Amino acid sequence: GAGVSQTPSNKVTEKGKYVELRCDPISGHTALYWYRQSLGQGPEFLIYFQGTGAADDSGLPNDRFFAVRPEGSVSTLKIQRTERGDSAVYLCASSLNLHTGELFFGEGSRLTVL
Amino acid sequence: QKEVEQNSGPLSVPEGAIASLNCTYSDRGSQSFFWYRQYSGKSPELIMFIYSNGDKEDGRFTAQLNKASQYVSLLIRDSQPSDSATYLCAVNRAAGNKLTFGGGTRVLVKP
Repeated sequence: GAGVSQTPSNKVTEKGKYVELRCDPISGHTALYWYRQSLGQGPEFLIYFQGTGAADDSGLPNDRFFAVRPEGSVSTLKIQRTERGDSAVYLCASSLNLHTGELFFGEGSRLTVL
Repeated sequence: QKEVEQNSGPLSVPEGAIASLNCTYSDRGSQSFFWYRQYSGKSPELIMFIYSNGDKEDGRFTAQLNKASQYVSLLIRDSQPSDSATYLCAVNRAAGNKLTFGGGTRVLVKP
């Protein structure tokens, strides 16, 4: 498809388990963002990649969260030792024109930690 | 104090009326300002961006920016039921930087 693709769309896991969420951005978009959105809240910034490198990872809440983008395209957000408070929709976005701030969002991965 | 603040609503407006949404931000270094619309269960989509003080119009939407007051607003004219959604204000310090979002204002347009 032409849009940002995120998998899985839904993930239910148990507390303490490891989770990976995948994002496939729009072809040619060099910037890739991860946000987290809880019910009734706005998206909360986690990390931003320009190419393969993390340009800003200041939003990662702690060292249980890690993200990679090894070839400058697909990105994986990794969460270790999940906690119930990690439950949220994880949104990935990509951007071509950084000056307009137009982020194209995927449909999100809904994570539920039991 | 949150970096970007919005009234959570809901803002209820009759069909055909003007919906007025407000947003304040705390970082005086903010350079660019954005309004995103998010339908329930869907992802955000960009409506408008504004960089300079004053008004910017696009169809039924007008964004207004006042950097001195650290205030940005969105007007929706001739509101339609299809405008019922959450409207997210977002700011960034410079091109290529992260966008910081407010909590959103839920708008309900009643026929």
